[in-house]
Amino acid sequence: AQSVAQPEDQVNVAEGNPLTVKCTYSVSGNPYLFWYVQYPNRGLQFLLKYITGDNLVKGSYGFEAEFNKSQTSFHLKKPSALVSDSALYFCAVRDMTNAGNMLTFGGGTRLMVKP
Amino acid sequence: DTEVTQTPKHLVMGMTNKKSLKCEQHMGHRAMYWYKQKAKKPPELMFVYSYEKLSINESVPSRFSPECPNSSLLNLHLHALQPEDSALYLCASSQGQGDPYEQYFGPGTRLTVT
Repeated sequence: AQSVAQPEDQVNVAEGNPLTVKCTYSVSGNPYLFWYVQYPNRGLQFLLKYITGDNLVKGSYGFEAEFNKSQTSFHLKKPSALVSDSALYFCAVRDMTNAGNMLTFGGGTRLMVKP
Repeated sequence: DTEVTQTPKHLVMGMTNKKSLKCEQHMGHRAMYWYKQKAKKPPELMFVYSYEKLSINESVPSRFSPECPNSSLLNLHLHALQPEDSALYLCASSQGQGDPYEQYFGPGTRLTVT
């Protein structure tokens, strides 16, 4: 079984400050991890993924995420937040043994960046 | 072209109507997905097609009927829906199903069942 937890329903940050959106996961094997962003009335946009290798993954729009196996976490970060980053963010996991590419999504975290 | 298109953008239908949702991608992807998303909730997987064959059905009620006419197109046929089926229906595609390919999502069809 695989599961994802996003412990914060909402994260508030001032423009220009660093942001972190938290994600922890549970899989029976090794994980593939993904971050997606959803703007209002839109589909999900892929930001970045971790498969193997370097624990720090860089993605679109200046976002990055750090894979921490011991803490089973994959937090999303950005050094300087923009108002336009305000959106709903989903972490997703897939167990490497899951041949169906079936993703399990976390509950989502709403990021609010204030000017 | 990394775009997945979906039509219509909005759909209102009565419980006795029959309608279809359409999804199209021209990225050469061989796996396509239907998801249902309720407001402020994560997407829930409904169906997966791999190489135009249905590979996963997440115990979806038979009032939802998927179809994959060719490798670029995915349809979702709707019949006798219930008001609780009102949601955003998202289509996605990926290069394949077996490897950790990222999924590309369309903008969705917002369905309201009256």
